[in-house]
Amino acid sequence: IAGITQAPTSQILAAGRRMTLRCTQDMRHNAMYWYRQDLGLGLRLIHYSNTAGTTGKGEVPDGYSVSRANTDDFPLTLASAVPSQTSVYFCASSREGSSYNEQFFGPGTRLTVL
Amino acid sequence: GENVEQHPSTLSVQEGDSAVIKCTYSDSASNYFPWYKQELGKRPQLIIDIRSNVGEKKDQRIAVTLNKTAKHFSLHITETQPEDSAVYFCAANRPTGYALNFGKGTSLLVTP
Repeated sequence: IAGITQAPTSQILAAGRRMTLRCTQDMRHNAMYWYRQDLGLGLRLIHYSNTAGTTGKGEVPDGYSVSRANTDDFPLTLASAVPSQTSVYFCASSREGSSYNEQFFGPGTRLTVL
Repeated sequence: GENVEQHPSTLSVQEGDSAVIKCTYSDSASNYFPWYKQELGKRPQLIIDIRSNVGEKKDQRIAVTLNKTAKHFSLHITETQPEDSAVYFCAANRPTGYALNFGKGTSLLVTP
């Protein structure tokens, strides 16, 4: 693995189903983030983790949960998907604690909830 | 993002002209302001950033200016080329943690 990866690339999901989006980075970055991107709304922060073992809520956390059991992985779970969660989801990571560090984005997951 | 406003939402320029995108932010504690470029179907990538202890930063055809008093910052692209066509996002760091608040983006089209 080189950099930051996400899986799946795309997914079509029935409303009410549970779904976990995977994110893995091999850069040993402490901080990781989940954003959703919707046309005309830019990138909105869902959840973040400043270091392994800690997580925090972002701007639009409702309906989503995250965990950070180790440095490399930061999965995002939709417990019961709804159509308004149709979006492109980007995972990102940045180096050890500093607001000045560049955030590196994964390739994104396109999720459609029907 | 909830406290970063970006204008214009779309911008069309002719090749060789300059393009300017402006952003304002509301949290005076913000001290880091990156700009990301996102090509169609791709991930956002950092193109330039500025910290609050400087007023201007330049990298070849791209420059960013910051006015902390007025809480606004701008991206300037000179001698635009068709490959500059993309969506550009400004951002400001959140007061806690290391996450960013993003503007809603500017779709830049450079026509030959």
